[in-house]
Amino acid sequence: SQQGEEDPQALSIQEGENATMNCSYKTSINNLQWYRQNSGRGLVHLILIRSNEREKHSGRLRVTLDTSKKSSSLLITASRAADTASYFCALSSNTGKLIFGQGTTLQVKP
Amino acid sequence: DAGVIQSPRHEVTEMGQEVTLRCKPISGHDYLFWYRQTMMRGLELLIYFNNNVPIDDSGMPEDRFSAKMPNASFSTLKIQPSEPRDSAVYFCASSFHWTAYPDTQYFGPGTRLTVL
Repeated sequence: SQQGEEDPQALSIQEGENATMNCSYKTSINNLQWYRQNSGRGLVHLILIRSNEREKHSGRLRVTLDTSKKSSSLLITASRAADTASYFCALSSNTGKLIFGQGTTLQVKP
Repeated sequence: DAGVIQSPRHEVTEMGQEVTLRCKPISGHDYLFWYRQTMMRGLELLIYFNNNVPIDDSGMPEDRFSAKMPNASFSTLKIQPSEPRDSAVYFCASSFHWTAYPDTQYFGPGTRLTVL
């Protein structure tokens, strides 16, 4: 399958803790993207990392990409209750479309 | 820009009825995508367009589903006849590809469809 496999499926942490989500894949990619979805809303783009990049930061987000292991991780530091959402990785190849994973559901308890 | 606009936001219909979902992409975007999301199957790509031309409709589940993009600012997804298993949230997304590869997609708020 081209789909990204996300791990864990669900994560529950306390406010202030860090949250780490992982995405593994099997195909070659051009870039890998992470999206967030709040309950009842559309997906919102968080960050894009290209295949020739290893790490990228955006605010409290840190994304890493290891193309040799075909895996990526999303780290959210100092989590807040407002970070409660589902997080999806999406694979971009030469097909013109993104392939989304099943998502990780993050709950941040106040 | 107002972002991707979808209508209606909620639709409740009876089995056998025709349903039409509408989408207005972000101005200047050259790609438009239709997705369906359910708890069981997750987020599925149904069809996508490039410059108003359908490129890949392999995700369209059945002939009951059809999509059109008559111009750069409007697309429809039609289900005729609708069935209870079509109940889902349908998202439209648009993007602009600076290169040959998919870039950031901007999603609409979705249409929650319930078929009774």
